[in-house]
Amino acid sequence: AQTVTQSQPEMSVQEAETVTLSCTYDTSENNYYLFWYKQPPSRQMILVIRQEAYKQQNATENRFSVNFQKAAKSFSLKISDSQLGDTAMYFCAFWGTQGGSEKLVFGKGTKLTVNP
Amino acid sequence: DTGVSQDPRHKITKRGQNVTFRCDPISEHNRLYWYRQTLGQGPEFLTYFQNEAQLEKSRLLSDRFSAERPKGSFSTLEIQRTEQGDSAMYLCASSPGLAGVHEQYFGPGTRLTVT
Repeated sequence: AQTVTQSQPEMSVQEAETVTLSCTYDTSENNYYLFWYKQPPSRQMILVIRQEAYKQQNATENRFSVNFQKAAKSFSLKISDSQLGDTAMYFCAFWGTQGGSEKLVFGKGTKLTVNP
Repeated sequence: DTGVSQDPRHKITKRGQNVTFRCDPISEHNRLYWYRQTLGQGPEFLTYFQNEAQLEKSRLLSDRFSAERPKGSFSTLEIQRTEQGDSAMYLCASSPGLAGVHEQYFGPGTRLTVT
């Protein structure tokens, strides 16, 4: 079964600085998708960025970018120019089709606090 | 397109009572997922539908849980004889079929408290 590990339960960063959140995963599949979701306090889960495993180019969405290392099974999220509104729980998630099971598998999350 | 909606947003119930939650997916999304999220944890998969067919159920979904999607549109999740361990946020997500099947959009969740 696939597993997703986020080793940083909490992180903090000063406004306007850059922060990197770590994620590793375990799978025997070759084709899959990886995601970062953001869950602000008492608000719903929002998709931040996605990466398709067969694409070597790292995904970028405005201030958010990933460092996808397929061989190392690593998928980190970099937030540049951090803003107060980035304060949230961030979840790394894996989507694959092994055994016909098509669902998201989430890590335990990293609580990010952006300080003024 | 108003996004995924869930009702109610909060539910407080006494142990032993039955509760039912509703999820309305994004229109024309033929996949609908239910997840459970406990405090300090990531969401855990419960079950999913493609149209009206329930294709997979997690071992987390005990006999007290049942989900339906009768017409392939909205879905309901019922918990019978609630226990304190059922207290959690219940999240619904939907995704389009085919090329977009991997991309899930979440609703705001229903927070269940069992006293």
